[in-house]
Amino acid sequence: QKEVEQDPGPLSVPEGAIVSLNCTYSNSAFQYFMWYRQYSRKGPELLMYTYSSGNKEDGRFTAQVDKSSKYISLFIRDSQPSDSATYLCAMSLLGVKETSGSRLTFGEGTQLTVNP
Amino acid sequence: DVKVTQSSRYLVKRTGEKVFLECVQDMDHENMFWYRQDPGLGLRLIYFSYDVKMKEKGDIPEGYSVSREKKERFSLILESASTNQTSMYLCASSRGQGNQPQHFGDGTRLSIL
Repeated sequence: QKEVEQDPGPLSVPEGAIVSLNCTYSNSAFQYFMWYRQYSRKGPELLMYTYSSGNKEDGRFTAQVDKSSKYISLFIRDSQPSDSATYLCAMSLLGVKETSGSRLTFGEGTQLTVNP
Repeated sequence: DVKVTQSSRYLVKRTGEKVFLECVQDMDHENMFWYRQDPGLGLRLIYFSYDVKMKEKGDIPEGYSVSREKKERFSLILESASTNQTSMYLCASSRGQGNQPQHFGDGTRLSIL
């Protein structure tokens, strides 16, 4: 069983829809959570970075962490065709420098298409 | 902004060749990483380095080696390329304090014929 599970999709929505992307994880020691966006033929770029349970908002994006359920979400409001990409969740342990705290465990990524 | 630059976007090599992939970052980051990305398998860590000349194996180090002689540069070496090493290779860097987000380059799509 993978440590981080993410539905690969593909997910297709109309422009303006609210998108919900999710990851579940099995290791309760994960403490830091990230969302990356990856456009076709490009590297992943950091979208959101959160620590602890709760919500974090940045423009049209909201990251939500529920540690009790081991579940994280990314919401995209008023989705645009330019949001079409693969979204990867990532998480890390609360660790010391150099080893465990520096490594990220990634979900497989969800491919999103926003149709005009 | 952090910039991670990978030397080649596309590379075609033959089986048995020794292949070098180069990565340079401009933010004085202590940590550097090499991943490969394959459909259905996601991102898998090959090696990472937390300091000059220091390295640690990731999840799939077999068939690969790395070199970090300078802080800003991290090289991935395929000692004897095989067709199952055809993949997208991504380099990343992060600050050394732990639990820092990683910043990625745009990848090298490597084909081994």
